[in-house]
Amino acid sequence: EAGVAQSPRYKIIEKRQSVAFWCNPISGHATLYWYQQILGQGPKLLIQFQNNGVVDDSQLPKDRFSAERLKGVDSTLKIQPAKLEDSAVYLCASNQRSGSGADTQYFGPGTRLTVL
Amino acid sequence: SQQGEEDPQALSIQEGENATMNCSYKTSINNLQWYRQNSGRGLVHLILIRSNEREKHSGRLRVTLDTSKKSSSLLITASRAADTASYFCATGSGGSNYKLTFGKGTLLTVNP
Repeated sequence: EAGVAQSPRYKIIEKRQSVAFWCNPISGHATLYWYQQILGQGPKLLIQFQNNGVVDDSQLPKDRFSAERLKGVDSTLKIQPAKLEDSAVYLCASNQRSGSGADTQYFGPGTRLTVL
Repeated sequence: SQQGEEDPQALSIQEGENATMNCSYKTSINNLQWYRQNSGRGLVHLILIRSNEREKHSGRLRVTLDTSKKSSSLLITASRAADTASYFCATGSGGSNYKLTFGKGTLLTVNP
């Protein structure tokens, strides 16, 4: 079974530039998550999709971050414009959830963003 | 905001020794999960314990959960150099809006 795919693996940009990350979840997984992990900290949830609908984006800085999952499969996360404090690893995860209950989340390798 | 707080922040042991990491949290949970993260890689799920369970085993891993103290521990027995990684506890809560909240992690170094 293929895992969660993310690209690019690394990205270096100047502040105020734009950047986009791509994620392809495990086939059949309805729920997709984007996390931000700053060095030395645990992952922080940015946005959660169930199929192509947003379930939770309460911690997404909506003035500069946006995300979409148009066909309920792959997803893109965009930052425009980037700030120095956006330097982090952006992790995508997916799981198969049906109603309440807990399922394991499967993580991709992440995209390491450096903003100069 | 971070829910779980791991203790210690860093732990260094010799191969063959046991490693114990603790996690405390603040609000009620559905379950608690432990994940491992090797340097520069994504997170890998290790084990899940539900709020009505007290102990769970998986290979060399043993997890306990005390909901009255809002705490959990992860024990890795007979550690190996390959166990070197960061370990995160994540609390799962919510119903239809179920989500995980991660702690800051414990960096475990196993010296050969």
